[in-house]
Amino acid sequence: KAGVTQTPRYLIKTRGQQVTLSCSPISGHRSVSWYQQTPGQGLQFLFEYFSETQRNKGNFPGRFSGRQFSNSRSEMNVSTLELGDSALYLCASTLVGGEYTEAFFGQGTRLTVV
Amino acid sequence: KNEVEQSPQNLTAQEGEFITINCSYSVGISALHWLQQHPGGGIVSLFMLSSGKKKHGRLIATINIQEKHSSLHITASHPRDSAVYICAVSGGNYQLIWGAGTKLIIKP
Repeated sequence: KAGVTQTPRYLIKTRGQQVTLSCSPISGHRSVSWYQQTPGQGLQFLFEYFSETQRNKGNFPGRFSGRQFSNSRSEMNVSTLELGDSALYLCASTLVGGEYTEAFFGQGTRLTVV
Repeated sequence: KNEVEQSPQNLTAQEGEFITINCSYSVGISALHWLQQHPGGGIVSLFMLSSGKKKHGRLIATINIQEKHSSLHITASHPRDSAVYICAVSGGNYQLIWGAGTKLIIKP
């Protein structure tokens, strides 16, 4: 079956702009979580969605938001971009989320803010 | 102190060597994941463990819940095993808590 698809793979934006990233989970998976990976901070949890509802959110400012559609595809949006938002954004897909489920990851979207 | 600690941070070895990467955690967990990240960003899930030991080909993962410690072993290492290996734990609240990763380089 098809894997987790993230689009776009690479993106360059200017400070102050906003950006939307997309994640299509594995077919049948209903939980999508997002992570930010930066060299200095490693991987940090952004938020998790299940059946169009956000179940948990990490410690990121309100400029970071997300949503999930009825087909389980998820988008995350970052408004008023800052240089420090340059990172790899990873999406993980699991069947129902929670503690015992195996996660599958997309290739990530590499965002560069200039 | 980070909740998930990996060691070593960097590891260079010769092809054929037996590799061990360690992960210690301080939170109560229900599952521990080992993942592999190649240059370019793609992450692949290698193992999910809640107890004991698992083996896939040349990779072996063990976990000791009482000691809050897990190890990833690679037997007969090969240059294609060169990657960053990341340990992550499921601590609840639908998120993974990540280690900083171990960068492994296998020289031919």
